[in-house]
This record gives sequence, structure tokens and C-alpha cells, in this order.
Amino acid sequence: GAVVSQHPSRVICKSGTSVKIECRSLDFQATTMFWYRQFPKQSLMLMATSNEGSKATYEQGVEKDKFLINHASLTLSTLTVTSAHPEDSSFYICSALRNEKLFFGSGTQLSVL
Amino acid sequence: AQTVTQSQPEMSVQEAETVTLSCTYDTSESDYYLFWYKQPPSRQMILVIRQEAYKQQNATENRFSVNFQKAAKSFSLKISDSQLGDAAMYFCAYRSGGSQGNLIFGKGTKLSVKP
Repeated sequence: GAVVSQHPSRVICKSGTSVKIECRSLDFQATTMFWYRQFPKQSLMLMATSNEGSKATYEQGVEKDKFLINHASLTLSTLTVTSAHPEDSSFYICSALRNEKLFFGSGTQLSVL
Repeated sequence: AQTVTQSQPEMSVQEAETVTLSCTYDTSESDYYLFWYKQPPSRQMILVIRQEAYKQQNATENRFSVNFQKAAKSFSLKISDSQLGDAAMYFCAYRSGGSQGNLIFGKGTKLSVKP
């Protein structure tokens, strides 16, 4: 089946630094990828839709300048958390659509100290 | 706006028994898809089963089946012959037929399987 790779799986950073998370579709081309955020014991909330070659579409309440998304190729989307603060600590999951099915990366646990 | 509701925060089932997880949704659309995803402790989201709204026949995947009641906007998941490996969070999700693919998730049901 389709595989979506997400890296890193876990990252710890200091407050004020930036963190980049990569999401790759390994065996298919994904023109659209999605970034979700999941707080402990809660559901997944869509943050933004990443479109190859164009600007991402952000959900209401998501800060575009804090969560920078770049989808420069058909197999790679990146999420950069800029000037991270403790409240940005969360589990971030990417996903990609293939043949009407959504496949997920393994997620990134971000901890901001 | 579409919403997905899972009214059972936690469920428990005995190994080899059958359990049903509930899900209701609200939409004014006629073209949509419904999904059940499993999230084990590893936190990897795994697609369990998928249902197209235009199909009357309930989807089935081995031990997993759904009861899709379109008029009632209900989409329950039945797990037969429960196994220890079925223990996980289960999320019901909705996707508009005309959307790019983003899902709207319910809050999830934590399923425990007792040996």
C-alpha cells in the first residue's frame, strides 16, 4: 500500500527556535497533503492543506506566520513551526491523498521547553 | 458545517467477543465518504474501513463491518471476534465528496480488549 513517511518522529527544542517537520509520499505523487495537530487524548484537528506549487490553505485560527508550509515537490511537504513556544507542543501528523484514500505519516511529537 | 460525534469515550470488550462503536454525523451534503480509523499506542493512523454515501451496501473488511444508516446519519463500526491487537483509539471521520480530501474527525473512542 501507499506509504507516507514523516520525520522526525520526536523533537525537543528550546523556546524561540524553529523546527521543521518533513512529510514524504514514498511511492506515489501527492499534489495535496494535509497537516493535522493532535493534543493528548484528543482528536485530530486540521491545520492546513498543502498544495504542490502553490500556497497552503490554512484553517481558521491557525497562524500562517507561525506554521509555515512548503510543498515544493509532488512528494514532499514541510511544516516549519517558527519561534516555537511551549503552547506549540503537540503531536503533528501529515497525510496524503491517493485514490480517494487518505494515508497518514507516523507523526511528530514536538516538545518545546 | 459538518460535524462528527462519537458518544462513547471508552468501550471495553472481551477477547473473541463482538463490539460496536457508535458514530453519528451531521451534513447537508449528498456526496460524501465516511471512514473509521484506528490509532494504536504507536499513534500511527490506520484506515480500518471506508464507506461511500451513495452505496447502500454496508462496507466490510474481514472482522470489521459498518452499519450505515444514511437517513439517520449513523455510521457504526462492528468488530467481530475481537483480538488483543484491536485495542486502540478509534476515530470516525467524514469527508465531503467535493473536497480535496481533508477529513473531519470525531473525538474518538478508546477500545480496550480484555483477555
